Amino acid sequence: EDQVTQSPEALRLQEGESSSLNCSYTVSGLRGLFWYRQDPGKGPEFLFTLYSAGEEKEKERLKATLTKKESFLHITAPKPEDSATYLCAVQDNRNFGNEKLTFGTGTRLTIIP
Amino acid sequence: SQTIHQWPATLVQPVGSPLSLECTVEGTSNPNLYWYRQAAGRGLQLLFYSVGIGQISSEVPQNLSASRPQDRQFILSSKKLLLSDSGFYLCAWRVAWGTSGGRSQETQYFGPGTRLLVL
Repeated sequence: EDQVTQSPEALRLQEGESSSLNCSYTVSGLRGLFWYRQDPGKGPEFLFTLYSAGEEKEKERLKATLTKKESFLHITAPKPEDSATYLCAVQDNRNFGNEKLTFGTGTRLTIIP
Repeated sequence: SQTIHQWPATLVQPVGSPLSLECTVEGTSNPNLYWYRQAAGRGLQLLFYSVGIGQISSEVPQNLSASRPQDRQFILSSKKLLLSDSGFYLCAWRVAWGTSGGRSQETQYFGPGTRLLVL
């Protein structure tokens, strides 16, 4: 069974203090790893899809990286508006036809001004 | 442009009452559609997915059912709600934008969600 574990559960940073969020996964064959941002009471907002180890993608202050066992979401010089819950999900290549995503429980990030 | 709508936004229902949540997608045709539930302290869990009209697959046994009466409409229902049905219900659709290295470039976009509280 596919599993996704995110750490830490919660992270408080000062504005400008860079850090990383971790997503460890177990899947029979990785078809894709997804990062989403979710604000309270709203649906997840898509950030990145990563497909193979060594791949990196960037968007503004965020950079996602992927290894064979985990992914990191690096946040550089964060601002208060980066405060949100960040979700990681994996897609198993066995699930062709439904493209099911298996999610972790998320990291709640708070940036203090 | 492609958009996804869900309603209602919030719902408070008594135990044993029926449920109907609606999801519609605009700007695309024949999308793959998904219903997820997000419970407190748990990750999003896939409930149902549909690859076309009348085609529904269930991921977990439960008190809920789904239907797809039209191409861009996905409905989540229950005949009798349980306390454990409380949660945040999210509809999503699959978007693919090509291939790279033989792999499909894709993601799932989520709607705004429906907050359901069963009392």
